[in-house]
Amino acid sequence: AQSVAQPEDQVNVAEGNPLTVKCTYSVSGNPYLFWYVQYPNRGLQFLLKYITGDNLVKGSYGFEAEFNKSQTSFHLKKPSALVSDSALYFCAVRDRGSQGNLIFGKGTKLSVKP
Amino acid sequence: DAGVIQSPRHEVTEMGQEVTLRCKPISGHDYLFWYRQTMMRGLELLIYFNNNVPIDDSGMPEDRFSAKMPNASFSTLKIQPSEPRDSAVYFCASSLAGAKGDTQYFGPGTRLTVL
Repeated sequence: AQSVAQPEDQVNVAEGNPLTVKCTYSVSGNPYLFWYVQYPNRGLQFLLKYITGDNLVKGSYGFEAEFNKSQTSFHLKKPSALVSDSALYFCAVRDRGSQGNLIFGKGTKLSVKP
Repeated sequence: DAGVIQSPRHEVTEMGQEVTLRCKPISGHDYLFWYRQTMMRGLELLIYFNNNVPIDDSGMPEDRFSAKMPNASFSTLKIQPSEPRDSAVYFCASSLAGAKGDTQYFGPGTRLTVL
């Protein structure tokens, strides 16, 4: 069975500080991994994904994520947080051997204070 | 590209009424997904289609919910009769199958309020 865990309901960061939003996953095979962001009253927007190759994936708005196979993690990071990064972040996974659906985590609310 | 289009953006109805939500996926995408988002339950997958065929509807809450995809460019999610507990934001998403990880692209959502 596939699953995704986002252990933190909320992450609070001061503007200019680095941020990390955690994600761990469980799949039977090799994963495709995704991060999405949702701003208030908007749909989910794709940020970045890991398919294969370099474990460090760079995405939109200065975000990056590191695939760690041994720890089954795909944490989202940004070196310097902006107030405008405040949003709800979702991690998602799909087993490379399956088709179609993604399994989404419950989401982590990121709050960046000035 | 216009992205995934959903209509209406907001719907307010009374309990017992029929509600129809509409979705136009991104042209060329062969997967279409319907999700529901609430504060209590988060993001839930209701049903998804591949090449207009329903693949997994195990997330549909009950028989009051039905979804169709008559062609590659249009899908509907119908609730009949609606109940206050159906109040939520309903998202449609589409993706293109293949070796590049099937990124799903979401529409703006329909905010449904059942009084």
